[in-house]
Amino acid sequence: QVQLVQSGAEVKKPGASLRVSCKTSGYPFSVYGITWVRQAPGEGLAWMGWISTHDGKTTYAENFQGRVTMTADTSTGTVHMDLRSLRSDDTAIYYCVRGEMTVIPGVLPHKLVDWGQGTLVTVSS
Amino acid sequence: QSALTQPPSASGSPGQSVTISCTGTNNDVGAYNYVSWYQQHPGKAPKVLIFEVNKRPSGVPARFSASKSDNTASLTVSGLQAEDEADYYCFSYAGTKTFVFGTGTKVTVL
Repeated sequence: QVQLVQSGAEVKKPGASLRVSCKTSGYPFSVYGITWVRQAPGEGLAWMGWISTHDGKTTYAENFQGRVTMTADTSTGTVHMDLRSLRSDDTAIYYCVRGEMTVIPGVLPHKLVDWGQGTLVTVSS
Repeated sequence: QSALTQPPSASGSPGQSVTISCTGTNNDVGAYNYVSWYQQHPGKAPKVLIFEVNKRPSGVPARFSASKSDNTASLTVSGLQAEDEADYYCFSYAGTKTFVFGTGTKVTVL
């Protein structure tokens, strides 16, 4: 079955960098894009961006441009999300999500189907 | 990209219907038929209920339905059940391969 298993909880200091990993299994990795979503405590969902796993192309939300990098390791079926210059308001649960078959030209990850378990990131001095 | 606007809360008694709106602009909701809806119970990851405005994935009960008119999408939960008490989010394509979530609506079953 499809699984997305994320790396464990992190505690970071302001200004530090973060890497959250998402190990996938149960489906052909390069066929489906991976989207990252975060949720601050008591707040709503925020779309961070997505990566096309077959060619590594990325699209990021304006709010994260310049601070986030998403990469795909096709040898291990793992997607990484790096976030730099952490602030206290980056404290959130971060989710990776499998969407649509973005290997097909023109297909976009508009349906978020399979979610990782979430990674709690706490940014505090 | 500004979040799509949803009412903070909605409620209904068991068996009743509740409708949640999701208002965007003619650059997102109004421009594309890529609106989806998600249900999130406390402490859990969201689950997709509706995609492409009004399509239900297999396994989602038919009492969840949705539509769109101009810049506003709507989700209706008919025959409310206790387990429908959750947070609901809309999600829309916003052009140039970007997407945006709604602000979220907490549904309470009275």
